[in-house]
Amino acid sequence: QVQLVQSGAEVKKPGASVKVSCKASGYTFTSYYMHWVRQAPGQGLEWMGIINPSGGSTSYAQKFQGRVTMTRDTSTSTVYMELSSLRSEDTAVYYCARPTHDYGAFDIWGQGTMVTVSS
Amino acid sequence: SYVLTQPPSVSVAPGQTARITCGGNNIGSKSVHWYQQKPGQAPVLVVYDDSDRPSGIPERFSGSNSGNTATLTISRVEAGDEADYYCQVWDSSSDPYYVFGTGTKVTVL
Repeated sequence: QVQLVQSGAEVKKPGASVKVSCKASGYTFTSYYMHWVRQAPGQGLEWMGIINPSGGSTSYAQKFQGRVTMTRDTSTSTVYMELSSLRSEDTAVYYCARPTHDYGAFDIWGQGTMVTVSS
Repeated sequence: SYVLTQPPSVSVAPGQTARITCGGNNIGSKSVHWYQQKPGQAPVLVVYDDSDRPSGIPERFSGSNSGNTATLTISRVEAGDEADYYCQVWDSSSDPYYVFGTGTKVTVL
């Protein structure tokens, strides 16, 4: 079945970087974009950016420009989201999500990865 | 950026109908998607492209979209429908491109 499995929880100090992985299975990895969405504790959903696993092109929300990097490894059907210069406000659950088609709704979600930023 | 506004909470008795609104400028010209999120879980798509349901989603979930308001309707509400609900659109002229609503907590009385 189609599924996205993310890496485990992380605890980082302010100023550090974190890299979260999302391994896809059950479908042709390069046929669907992949999004990253985060959710701070008790807050709503926030879109961070998108990667095209086929060519590797990316587009990021302006809020994260310069701090986020999304990459992919087609040999393992895995996408990565790296966020640098972490601050306490980056404490959140990070999700990868696959759309139904280009610009479509997000029908498949990873289980989420909790990232805690604390000194 | 494009803003989607939802009521913070909606309360409904079992068996009744819950309506959750999502307000945005000329939202009727966009495709609206709705997600259900239960505590500690990832969101689940319940309605896409204004009114279509993914396989496995009960017919009790329906959507509409016109003018400046999109609406998710949950008919014959059950205890298991208690969750947070988010609307979402894609707007290529906005930053960010993908916008989520503020979220609505549905409480089943």
